[in-house]
Amino acid sequence: NAGVTQTPKFQVLKTGQSMTLQCAQDMNHNSMYWYRQDPGMGLRLIYYSASEGTTDKGEVPNGYNVSRLNKREFSLRLESAAPSQTSVYFCASSELAGGFYEQYFGPGTRLTVT
Amino acid sequence: AQSVTQLDSQVPVFEEAPVELRCNYSSSVSVYLFWYVQYPNQGLQLLLKYLSGSTLVKGINGFEAEFNKSQTSFHLRKPSVHISDTAEYFCAVSDSAGGYQKVTFGTGTKLQVIP
Repeated sequence: NAGVTQTPKFQVLKTGQSMTLQCAQDMNHNSMYWYRQDPGMGLRLIYYSASEGTTDKGEVPNGYNVSRLNKREFSLRLESAAPSQTSVYFCASSELAGGFYEQYFGPGTRLTVT
Repeated sequence: AQSVTQLDSQVPVFEEAPVELRCNYSSSVSVYLFWYVQYPNQGLQLLLKYLSGSTLVKGINGFEAEFNKSQTSFHLRKPSVHISDTAEYFCAVSDSAGGYQKVTFGTGTKLQVIP
């Protein structure tokens, strides 16, 4: 049981390049999330998927797109990377248990855009 | 709308001393409150949660937090810290438990335990 896995762990892009961050969970959770973490700003929600087949914008969606490929996988795409997108990206998943949705986080992807 | 304020960005403390990490929240409805811990180069993991009931909540690794509705606070405490507690701690609030969980995180407090 690997939990939430993310690939790649590190990535360096040039401005204007595109890439897709991959996330998969093996806990059969319905809900999945993408966050970005920046120093002094905590975690901010980019997009979420409440269930397979649905996606919605979070707090900071501009410059990103997502795909909920199936129940296990939720990818985040940067179409034209900008230096402002330098950040650590976390994927999470959650399921209802005991009246509460506990979120389980992946190890993160550290992205630098030059 | 909901928000979380963590009043200290960094807290240095000597090993075996007590520590309190402060958190204040605002929300227009009933809230669920959480503390997460992030060790270096890792993702976040849940330390403890308040959903309802007793206002004193115990979590993993000897941490506890007290929900104070009148002061809108949820401070995290540990009576005696260890070097291994060095990490960043995030307070978070959620006002929904239905369908999915929309969580608002604070900006984090870095706990540095000094030997």
